Amino acid sequence: QVELVESGGALVKPGGSLRLSCVASGFTFSHYYMAWIRQAPGKGPEFVSCIFHSGGTVYYADSVRGRFTISRDNTKNSLYLQMNSLRADDTAIYYCVRAVDGGDSWGQGTPVTVST
Amino acid sequence: DIQMTQSPSSLSASVGDRVTITCRASQDISTWLVWYQQKAEKAPKSLIYAASTLQSGVTSRFSGSGSGTDFTLTISSLQPEDVATYYCQQYRNFPYTFGQGTKVEIK
Repeated sequence: QVELVESGGALVKPGGSLRLSCVASGFTFSHYYMAWIRQAPGKGPEFVSCIFHSGGTVYYADSVRGRFTISRDNTKNSLYLQMNSLRADDTAIYYCVRAVDGGDSWGQGTPVTVST
Repeated sequence: DIQMTQSPSSLSASVGDRVTITCRASQDISTWLVWYQQKAEKAPKSLIYAASTLQSGVTSRFSGSGSGTDFTLTISSLQPEDVATYYCQQYRNFPYTFGQGTKVEIK
């Protein structure tokens, strides 16, 4: 079955950087576009970024554009999110999502906390 | 960005009750809408996509309807395991956007 496993979340100081990873299994990764969606404590989900099959087309939320970079390695069935210039309001659980029909499969999430 | 507005923000109903949640889009999204269920400390789970298509393995107690700007999620007979927060999300345009959620509790 479809499995998405995120890693890389951590406590980081404002202005710092993190790289999140997501390893996919149970489906042909290169056939699907993938997304990162985050959820701040006590809030609803928020779209962060999406990348199409070959990686040639990407989209970002306005709140992260210029600071975050999404990428993928189809040879490793892996999705990445490089996060720079982190701010307190980036604190959230970050989910890797197979973006079929809006989001048919989600990982368990990896927590990112931005704090001094 | 397309704004998604859900109502009510919370509700309390008895076991066996019929429950309806509404979601309104700020512009026409056709049927590019998904409904999620999120239980405490868990990732959201897709229940319905394309506004009315039940995700594989999801109980038929759940149903969705609507198109354009107005949508509904119905639970035909509320069960204790349905306690959760429900979100709508449009995937007509990027950025995908979510409703603010409806918390469902048992009375």
